[in-house]
Amino acid sequence: GNSVTQMEGPVTLSEEAFLTINCTYTATGYPSLFWYVQYPGEGLQLLLKATKADDKGSNKGFEATYRKETTSFHLEKGSVQVSDSAVYFCALSEYAGKSTFGDGTTLTVKP
Amino acid sequence: SQTIHQWPATLVQPVGSPLSLECTVEGTSNPNLYWYRQAAGRGLQLLFYSVGIGQISSEVPQNLSASRPQDRQFILSSKKLLLSDSGFYLCAWSGTPLNTEAFFGQGTRLTVV
Repeated sequence: GNSVTQMEGPVTLSEEAFLTINCTYTATGYPSLFWYVQYPGEGLQLLLKATKADDKGSNKGFEATYRKETTSFHLEKGSVQVSDSAVYFCALSEYAGKSTFGDGTTLTVKP
Repeated sequence: SQTIHQWPATLVQPVGSPLSLECTVEGTSNPNLYWYRQAAGRGLQLLFYSVGIGQISSEVPQNLSASRPQDRQFILSSKKLLLSDSGFYLCAWSGTPLNTEAFFGQGTRLTVV
């Protein structure tokens, strides 16, 4: 079956530091890949997505590239802000939104 | 634009009591609907999904059930809650099979005491 493995957290960074959150996946087909963000007490919001190999998703300064050869979709941001503090989930989906999620990585950014 | 509503936002229920969580979607027709559960400090586990009225698929055996009485309404239920049912429940919808992105509600924090 499908699975997603995320870098374990929590991650604590200072403002303006570089962020990488690793994500690797196992899938039987050709999934779309996603990063979702969850702020405290809220549901999940789509941060970015990539639907095929070598696609780069980007949003709000975050980027991730769909790497089929390494089955990875690592999340990066060049300069984090305090407002980026949240839980980040990597996910894959092969059919109509039925998604498999990683366990989530909690990011705390300190001023 | 499409919106998804989920309620209540928080719920505290005693062990053995029934449960009903409701989710509705606006601005789209024939959506695929999903119930996920998020245990503390963990990722999301898909509980149920539905591709149409009255069509429910269960992903994991459990104490819960789901129903879809109308096209844009999805209900999560239990006859008798267990302590292990505590968690954060998220409803989601997606569009056509080619659009694999899911859109989530704000979630319900359920505490069984």
